[in-house]
Amino acid sequence: AQSVTQLDSHVSVSEGTPVLLRCNYSSSYSPSLFWYVQHPNKGLQLLLKYTSAATLVKGINGFEAEFKKSETSFHLTKPSAHMSDAAEYFCVVSYPRGGSNYKLTFGKGTLLTVNP
Amino acid sequence: GAGVSQSPSNKVTEKGKDVELRCDPISGHTALYWYRQSLGQGLEFLIYFQGNSAPDKSGLPSDRFSAERTGGSVSTLTIQRTQQEDSAVYLCASSTMQGNTGELFFGEGSRLTVL
Repeated sequence: AQSVTQLDSHVSVSEGTPVLLRCNYSSSYSPSLFWYVQHPNKGLQLLLKYTSAATLVKGINGFEAEFKKSETSFHLTKPSAHMSDAAEYFCVVSYPRGGSNYKLTFGKGTLLTVNP
Repeated sequence: GAGVSQSPSNKVTEKGKDVELRCDPISGHTALYWYRQSLGQGLEFLIYFQGNSAPDKSGLPSDRFSAERTGGSVSTLTIQRTQQEDSAVYLCASSTMQGNTGELFFGEGSRLTVL
């Protein structure tokens, strides 16, 4: 079964400093990987996705993530945090093979706090 | 509307009552998903509809939960005889293609509180 682990339940950074949100996945096949963001009382919004093309994926709002097969990781980064980045971030894995290839598995989320 | 619409946004009910949660997906989206989000638990898959295919109900936690999608559009999630552990945010999402390679568009959720 596929699984995804977000290594930090809460990350706190100062405005203007780099952001690193860590994600590891279990892999039997080549996965599709996503990061979603959820602002308070809002639905989830796709930040970026990896689907076996370039390993460095750029998303919205200056975020990017690198797929590292050897480390089974898909960490989310941003060079400089903004106050508006404060939200919960979900790493998501899905496998394109098998009978349930439409079923996404979500990590438990990382709450990002940005301090002024 | 342009996005996925869910209603009610908040529902408080008493234990043992039935509740219905509605999802209106983006027009033209053939795939529709229900997820449950509990505090500190991430998102739990409940059910998936794709076009006219039989839905995948494998994520429904008990037979008190059911869902239907009428006319390939609006979906209703029904919880019978609600229990306190059913308290959560129920999220609906829709997509134009199989969800593993496509983007899911989420509604803002229906927050259910069972007293």
